[in-house]
This record gives sequence, C-alpha cells and structure tokens, in this order.
Amino acid sequence: EVQLVESGGVVAQPGGSLRLSCVASGFNFDDYMMHWVRQAPGKGLEWVALFSWDGGSEYYADSVKGRFTISRDNSKNSLFLEMNTLRSEDTALYYCAKNRAAVAGTDAFDIWGLGTMVIVSS
Amino acid sequence: EIVMTQSPATLSVSPGERATLSCRASQSVHRNLAWYQHKAGQSPRLLIYGASTRATGIPTRFSGSGSGTEFTLTISSLQSEDFAIYYCQQYNIWITFGQGTRLEIE
Repeated sequence: EVQLVESGGVVAQPGGSLRLSCVASGFNFDDYMMHWVRQAPGKGLEWVALFSWDGGSEYYADSVKGRFTISRDNSKNSLFLEMNTLRSEDTALYYCAKNRAAVAGTDAFDIWGLGTMVIVSS
Repeated sequence: EIVMTQSPATLSVSPGERATLSCRASQSVHRNLAWYQHKAGQSPRLLIYGASTRATGIPTRFSGSGSGTEFTLTISSLQSEDFAIYYCQQYNIWITFGQGTRLEIE
C-alpha cells in the first residue's frame, strides 16, 4: 500500500525550532519529487516546500523562505522539514505529499499523509 | 507568484443536481492544473490533473475542463459524499493553491 506517515508535530515556542518527518512506503521514493503542504486552522491549503527527485533543487514559499529547510534521505525513504524561527502564523496541520509523476518536475499530488499538527504558542 | 482565484467561495446545491466550480489563474498555466476534494479530518484527494484527466478511482461524474487561465470542475449529479471543500492547484510554475470552494447541501 502506498503510504506517507508524518510525525514530529508538537507545541513549540515562538522563535523556536522543530523538525518534521515523513516516512514513505509502497513506492520507489527515489523517483519522486516530494512536497510539504500546510493548512492553518480555518484556512485553505498552502504549499510550503518541495525537494526534487534527483536532489538537484529545493524551493520554498515566500512565507517560509530562509526559516524552513526541506531535505530527504532516500536510504530511509524519508522527507524532512526543519522549521526555525517559528511564528504563530506557522501554526498548522503539515502534510507530506507525493508528486504524481516520477522522474519529473512539478505535478499534481496523488498521495498525501494524514498530517502532523504544529502549534506555535507561548 | 501565480495567484489562483476560485469562485464562488461557497456553493449551495441539492443532491442530484449539477455543480460547477471555477478557477482562474493570474497568468497562463497551460493545462498544468489539478483539482482536489478535501473533507474535514481527511487528507486531500486528487480528483483531476492535467486540467481534465481523472485520477485513479475517481467517478465519472467528476470532470474538468479549461486551459490557460480559466478552468472548471463539474460534478454532474451530486451525491451526499461530494459535499466538501474543493481546491484548484497550478503546478506550471512551482505550486499554488486556490483559496477553495465550499460545496454545501442546499
């Protein structure tokens, strides 16, 4: 079964740091661009970051650029999101999502995890 | 950044009727456009990619059309399970989502 499972969401202090993880199974992780998407309470979906399948590029939404870092470990079928200088507006459910097309640039997201909740509050 | 604008924000339709949701891009995204269905407590579900191709397992009552800057998602005969929030997403230049259309029972 193709599956993504996120973890690492907790309550964090403003200005603090957090690391989210996403473990993939059921597909050849190496071949797919991967993404983080978030949804703040009562709001819509917001794309956060991507990491290319070949490790050649990563890209960020302006709202997180310079504060968040996306990475992956293909040997562990894992995607990560390092979150620094957290703000209250980073409070959201964070989803890991898989690019539909293999060995390709950006595409639709065909597999999503259930998400992990990050709350930034003092 | 490409801005995606969905309309209406809320659409009230009776079961069995047709629903038409719109999505406009601030610049051409060609056919690099997807639609998702999102229900509370669940992950978003891919319905349509490439503007008009149904994803695996998606019922034929869901159809997508459009290209360039104007796109439409049509649900031909609404079932009870179709009432949800729908998002469009462009993936032509990086990724952006529309703000969503809430489809509710009239």
